[in-house]
Amino acid sequence: EMQLVESGGGLVQPGGSLRLSCEASGFTFNAYSMNWVRQAPGKGLEWLTYISSSDSSRYYADSVKGRFTVSRDNAKNSLYLQMNSLREEDTALYYCVRARSLDVWGQGTTVTVSS
Amino acid sequence: QPVLTQPPSASGTPGRRVAISCSGSSSNIGSNTVNWYQHLPGTAPQLLIYSNNQRSSGVPDRFSGSKSGTSASLAISGLQSDDEAYYYCAAWDDSLNGVIFGGGTQLTVL
Repeated sequence: EMQLVESGGGLVQPGGSLRLSCEASGFTFNAYSMNWVRQAPGKGLEWLTYISSSDSSRYYADSVKGRFTVSRDNAKNSLYLQMNSLREEDTALYYCVRARSLDVWGQGTTVTVSS
Repeated sequence: QPVLTQPPSASGTPGRRVAISCSGSSSNIGSNTVNWYQHLPGTAPQLLIYSNNQRSSGVPDRFSGSKSGTSASLAISGLQSDDEAYYYCAAWDDSLNGVIFGGGTQLTVL
């Protein structure tokens, strides 16, 4: 069974940092591009970042460009999101999602930015 | 935040057909395929339709997708109470180099 499991969420103060992780199983991780998508409370889905299968390309939404960094470790079947300079508006449920078609989703990890 | 345009809500009675529209531009829907997602609160979104009109594995044929120019549509026939959910369209945007979502449509089965 294809599975994505996120971890690393929590409560952080504005201006702080957090690193999210996503562990993949049930498919050949290094063959797929990956994304992070979030949903703020009461809001819709927002795509954040994309990383290609070989890490040759990375793209970011304007809302997180310069603050968030996506990375992957294909040997560990893992995807990461380093989040710096966090703002209250970054409070959301963060999903790890497979491929440009966003065909496999994790259950998400919650990030709360609050003083 | 750039979005594809969806109606915020839609409704229908059991057994009827409902359609949800998704409007974009030449840099997204006009030049890339459209996917549709079903999102039930408290669960992860699920891919419903990919490549404009292909049903994801396990999705009943009551669900269908179409695309024309810079617009797309999701149709659900034979509405069931289980279909109550939020539905999102999405497409890659070539000028943004990223995925953009519609704002989501909340479907109510009356």
